[in-house]
Amino acid sequence: GAGVSQSPSNKVTEKGKDVELRCDPISGHTALYWYRQSLGQGLEFLIYFQGNSAPDKSGLPSDRFSAERTGGSVSTLTIQRTQQEDSAVYLCASSLYGNEQYFGPGTRLTVT
Amino acid sequence: GNSVTQMEGPVTLSEEAFLTINCTYTATGYPSLFWYVQYPGEGLQLLLKATKADDKGSNKGFEATYRKETTSFHLEKGSVQVSDSAVYFCALSDRPGGGADGLTFGKGTHLIIQP
Repeated sequence: GAGVSQSPSNKVTEKGKDVELRCDPISGHTALYWYRQSLGQGLEFLIYFQGNSAPDKSGLPSDRFSAERTGGSVSTLTIQRTQQEDSAVYLCASSLYGNEQYFGPGTRLTVT
Repeated sequence: GNSVTQMEGPVTLSEEAFLTINCTYTATGYPSLFWYVQYPGEGLQLLLKATKADDKGSNKGFEATYRKETTSFHLEKGSVQVSDSAVYFCALSDRPGGGADGLTFGKGTHLIIQP
C-alpha cells in the first residue's frame, strides 16, 4: 500500500518568506510525527499528533514554527519568516496507536 | 533527558568484513531501542528493534542485543555487502513504538562498503 508522502520534495525560499510543508500519513494511522534532520543537529523530534491534537509542542524550535492536522489525516508544518538556520530536511512519520513509525521521504528546505 | 551516542564515521569496510556500530544510551525508565537505516536517496526505514532488556532484534543479517547493564545496543553483521552502504541511526523511545515523545536519535553512522 501507499506509504507516507510529503510535498514538496524540495523547497528553496528566500529568507523572511513563509513556507508550508505537507505530510500525508499512511491511511488509518492515528499518530503523526514531525522531525528535522540537519547536519549540525542530527535528527530532532519536533511535534507529535494523536488524532488532530498535539499534546506537547515544546519540541518546536521557535514560535515561528507551527503545525496542524485536520481530519485525523493530512498535516502541515508552517515556518514563518524563514531563517537560514531553518535549512534542513523535514521528515514526517506515522504510526498506528504509537507502534512502529513509518517515515516519509522528507522535504529538503533551503533558505537563501 | 534521553540521549543516544553512536560512532559517527564514516566507517569504511571491505565486502564480507564483520561490522560493529556502537550505540549507547541514557534514559529514564525502560526505553525501547531501535536501529533505523537510510539508504542513499531514500527515507528512514526501521531495521530492527528491541523492547526489553536482553532482547535481540534481528533483520537482514543484522542483529543487536539490548544490554541494560551497559546501556548499549550495538549493531552487528557478520559479513557486509556493498548494498549495506547507508547511514545507520540508533534511536530510543520511552514507549515500544515511539509514543508521545517521539524518537530520540543518535547522529547517525555513515557506512561505506567497498567491493
